[in-house]
Amino acid sequence: DAGVTQSPTHLIKTRGQQVTLRCSPKSGHDTVSWYQQALGQGPQFIFQYYEEEERQRGNFPDRFSGHQFPNYSSELNVNALLLGDSALYLCASSPTTAANYGYTFGSGTRLTVV
Amino acid sequence: SQQGEEDPQALSIQEGENATMNCSYKTSINNLQWYRQNSGRGLVHLILIRSNEREKHSGRLRVTLDTSKKSSSLLITASRAADTASYFCATDAVNSGYALNFGKGTSLLVTP
Repeated sequence: DAGVTQSPTHLIKTRGQQVTLRCSPKSGHDTVSWYQQALGQGPQFIFQYYEEEERQRGNFPDRFSGHQFPNYSSELNVNALLLGDSALYLCASSPTTAANYGYTFGSGTRLTVV
Repeated sequence: SQQGEEDPQALSIQEGENATMNCSYKTSINNLQWYRQNSGRGLVHLILIRSNEREKHSGRLRVTLDTSKKSSSLLITASRAADTASYFCATDAVNSGYALNFGKGTSLLVTP
């Protein structure tokens, strides 16, 4: 049973460019959350998608947007990249009723903005 | 903002010893979770303790929760070199909706 799959693994982009990161949730999970983890820090919540809608958003600018598809997979888009967007981007999936079961994380996408 | 704060920031022990990490948080929670991260890759869920629970065990892991002090501890018994990783506590806070709030983590080094 595959866990959470993220692609690509690594990515180098130039400041001002746009990037799309992809996530396939664990089988049976319908909720996808995205987190940003800067070097030496804990993950920060970006947003969560459920039923193809953004259900909750963290303290991130509108340059960060997302999408969830009918098969529950998800994309994270970041426009007008800044050097400060360099980080590990983590996707986490959960079943709807995940309140007491924890999240399954992917291995992440390492984004470097130069 | 990061609600959870782990202590110590770094811990170095020898194989066979026990490792204890602490987490403090600021607001009321539904549950508290511990995750492990190897070499800056994905997080692995270790254990979840609900706000009405005081202690929980899973294999060599023991987690305690003291909601009156807003703190939790993770004990890893008989540590192995493979336990070398960063450990994060994450709170599912009452007023945070679906977001998990992570601390900055404790970096654990277990030497043979």
